[in-house]
Amino acid sequence: AQKITQTQPGMFVQEKEAVTLDCTYDTSDQSYGLFWYKQPSSGEMIFLIYQGSYDEQNATEGRYSLNFQKARKSANLVISASQLGDSAMYFCAMPPLLYSTLTFGKGTMLLVSP
Amino acid sequence: DSGVTQTPKHLITATGQRVTLRCSPRSGDLSVYWYQQSLDQGLQFLIQYYNGEERAKGNILERFSAQQFPDLHSELNLSSLELGDSALYFCASSAPEGNTIYFGEGSWLTVV
Repeated sequence: AQKITQTQPGMFVQEKEAVTLDCTYDTSDQSYGLFWYKQPSSGEMIFLIYQGSYDEQNATEGRYSLNFQKARKSANLVISASQLGDSAMYFCAMPPLLYSTLTFGKGTMLLVSP
Repeated sequence: DSGVTQTPKHLITATGQRVTLRCSPRSGDLSVYWYQQSLDQGLQFLIQYYNGEERAKGNILERFSAQQFPDLHSELNLSSLELGDSALYFCASSAPEGNTIYFGEGSWLTVV
């Protein structure tokens, strides 16, 4: 079974600073991947970034990057140059494999202050 | 815009009633997933369909049912509603390779 752990219930960061949101995972699969989603107060679930376990380079999407360390089973999300609009709940998740379910962490609430 | 369309966006209904939530996946996506998000339970996987067939089942109550139609849209039926069913219900879809999963904006259900 897959398990995702997000140990930071809440994080505070000042505008324009970088922030790292932690995610550790546990899986017995050899091939797997990790997603990060953002959920603002409006409720929608916004896809941010994905990385597969066999990808050689850390994934990057604009200001978002994944610090993927397989040996430590961690897939931390790094947001550079935080903006006020980044204030939201962030979820780490493992994608479904055959007949398995998408597993979410409990989320980290990020608050960006001016 | 994720390309996944969910209707209705908001719904208020009384206990004991039945509602149907509708989802249109992204063009080309064969898999549809339903999730329930509540304050106390977090994000709970309910059920997955792949090209019209049930693929995986999660914590879906017997009062709930779903199906995926030949045009790949999906419906989640919730019956004998209870106060505790009040939640945000998400539909998501993915391409066959499964490494991109996009969510709809969700349907807010309030049971009073």
